[in-house]
Amino acid sequence: GAGVSQSPSNKVTEKGKDVELRCDPISGHTALYWYRQSLGQGLEFLIYFQGNSAPDKSGLPSDRFSAERTGGSVSTLTIQRTQQEDSAVYLCASSLVGGPTQYFGPGTRLLVL
Amino acid sequence: EDKVVQSPLSLVVHEGDTVTLNCSYEVTNFRSLLWYKQEKKAPTFLFMLTSSGIEKKSGRLSSILDKKELSSILNITATQTGDSAIYLCAVEPLSGYALNFGKGTSLLVTP
Repeated sequence: GAGVSQSPSNKVTEKGKDVELRCDPISGHTALYWYRQSLGQGLEFLIYFQGNSAPDKSGLPSDRFSAERTGGSVSTLTIQRTQQEDSAVYLCASSLVGGPTQYFGPGTRLLVL
Repeated sequence: EDKVVQSPLSLVVHEGDTVTLNCSYEVTNFRSLLWYKQEKKAPTFLFMLTSSGIEKKSGRLSSILDKKELSSILNITATQTGDSAIYLCAVEPLSGYALNFGKGTSLLVTP
């Protein structure tokens, strides 16, 4: 079946602009995660959605970051007033409820000029 | 501080060599340890380890967990250029669900 998809694959924006990154998880996966990977760094957890429960936003680095998940499926990560330090690859993953094996999408490479 | 530490950070080998990648972690209680291979952008799942001393194997790749030493190794035998990638180790904590990732080992296999 189809894997996790993300769009856009690349995004170049100017400092101060808002960006929206989209993730479409594997069908049937109720858990959805967003991670950020900066150059030379490991994956940094941002936010977790599980079904209809309130999301765990503990990893969001600032209030400029927000995410939502509509209908328990597609998720959008929004970064407002982007800064240069926001430049990174943003990865989305999904898993079955209770399953540790997370399946990753191809990521969105964000460059803030 | 880093809870998951991978070594070496980078490695260059010739085709046909055998490599061992290391992952050590500070989390004493956890549910599982996972290995991923990252080419370009998307990490792809390799192994999940939950029991100490039991080797998981897939073709030329194998991995084992040593809970006493708080570590895991990933072995790749008869390396091929297609094995060039970043190999990520991650620990699933007992409470919570967000995987704690190491920074990865960047492997380059030269012809």
